[in-house]
Amino acid sequence: DGGITQSPKYLFRKEGQNVTLSCEQNLNHDAMYWYRQDPGQGLRLIYYSQIVNDFQKGDIAEGYSVSREKKESFPLTVTSAQKNPTAFYLCASSIDIGGEGEAFFGQGTRLTVV
Amino acid sequence: AQKVTQVQTEISVVEKEDVTLDCVYETRDTTYYLFWYKQPPSGELVFLIRRNSFDEQNEISGRYSWNFQKSTSSFNFTITASQVVDSAVYFCALSEAWAAGNKLTFGGGTRVLVKP
Repeated sequence: DGGITQSPKYLFRKEGQNVTLSCEQNLNHDAMYWYRQDPGQGLRLIYYSQIVNDFQKGDIAEGYSVSREKKESFPLTVTSAQKNPTAFYLCASSIDIGGEGEAFFGQGTRLTVV
Repeated sequence: AQKVTQVQTEISVVEKEDVTLDCVYETRDTTYYLFWYKQPPSGELVFLIRRNSFDEQNEISGRYSWNFQKSTSSFNFTITASQVVDSAVYFCALSEAWAAGNKLTFGGGTRVLVKP
């Protein structure tokens, strides 16, 4: 079945560590996105990529980094510079870059700083 | 800049009651798309409906219906005859046609609790 796979589902990080969240899609979508969701709040865009080897900052990119070396993969690294990384992270992809296509989401990674 | 506001943060109903979720948006673009997504307790967002800015026809799809009014910048969503499985957080979202990367802007979400 086609879809988006995020791993791990739960992740614990010590203060000062970098961690990488995985996102893989087999939908052949060009566009991929990372969103952050805090408890009781909506989704905020961290980074997005329209094509391989290209990505742009979203609304809250500070403390995060991404890469897009393959069409299928869009990993997100939460660096030690991110002061409050505990949150639920959602990866998404869409076929249409013009805004019309709906986004398909993974099941999310819940990151907790311990 | 685009903005989406969901009026209700939480709605509680008894099964079989209708539920209407309100969404108000702001955009300077003339071509845009509006979406409703459902987020069940599992966490994954599920696409429900889409409407483009040129089509104000309201529709019904099963137990879902929506009311798009461009004049008031509103895109309301109704669940008819609610069921316990409808309990989830519902998000309204906006995408501008000319925005790079299909940037979806989400509202804060409305938590719907359907009691048996």
